[in-house]
Amino acid sequence: KAGVTQTPRYLIKTRGQQVTLSCSPISGHRSVSWYQQTPGQGLQFLFEYFSETQRNKGNFPGRFSGRQFSNSRSEMNVSTLELGDSALYLCASSLSTLRTPETQYFGPGTRLLVL
Amino acid sequence: EDQVTQSPEALRLQEGESSSLNCSYTVSGLRGLFWYRQDPGKGPEFLFTLYSAGEEKEKERLKATLTKKESFLHITAPKPEDSATYLCAVQARLTTGSARQLTFGSGTQLTVLP
Repeated sequence: KAGVTQTPRYLIKTRGQQVTLSCSPISGHRSVSWYQQTPGQGLQFLFEYFSETQRNKGNFPGRFSGRQFSNSRSEMNVSTLELGDSALYLCASSLSTLRTPETQYFGPGTRLLVL
Repeated sequence: EDQVTQSPEALRLQEGESSSLNCSYTVSGLRGLFWYRQDPGKGPEFLFTLYSAGEEKEKERLKATLTKKESFLHITAPKPEDSATYLCAVQARLTTGSARQLTFGSGTQLTVLP
C-alpha cells in the first residue's frame, strides 16, 4: 500500500507571498493532520481534517488554513509568508476509528524556505 | 495542557552498547503514546503505539514500555543504522479539546558509532 505523499518536496518563496502544499493520504485513511517542524519549536500541530471538515486546530495564526477534498486529499495554504514560516511541513493520515488509538502515518514533508 | 519531555537530548553509543531513552508525559487522559523514528530531512516513521500502563511492544532491537507517567524505548545491541532522532508523542482522549492531535517531545538524537 502506498504511503502518504506530499508535493512539492521543496519550495522557495519570498516574504509576502502565499503558498499551497498538497497531501495525499494512505488509501482508505479519512483523517489528515498537518504539522510544522522547526529546529526551535519541534513538531507542532496545525490542524486536522476529516470528511472535508476541520475537526481540530492548533495555535497558529489565521494565515495558516487548509481544506480537504472528497477523496481525502488535503491542501494547506499559508498567506503573507514571513521568514519564521520557514520549516518542514508534515502531513499525516490515519484511519480515524473510535475504538483504538489513532496511529498517524507521516509523509516525507515539504521543506519551505522563505527569503 | 498536554506536555511531553524527552531525555537525553542526545546520546552517543558504541555499536552493541545497550541503552534507554526516556519520555515523560502529562496528558488529560491518555488515548495513546507513540514512538517514531526520524532520519534527517525525512518524515517521522512509525515504530510503536502503547495505550495502557504495563504494555510492552518489541521490534528487532527496540522495545517500548509504558507506565502511568513515562515511557521508555530500550535499544539492545544497537547498530550504526539505528542512528536517528527518536520522537515520542501523546494523544489525548476523544472527550478532550486536544483530541486526535499528537503532542510531541523534542526528541532524542541517537548516534551509534561503529
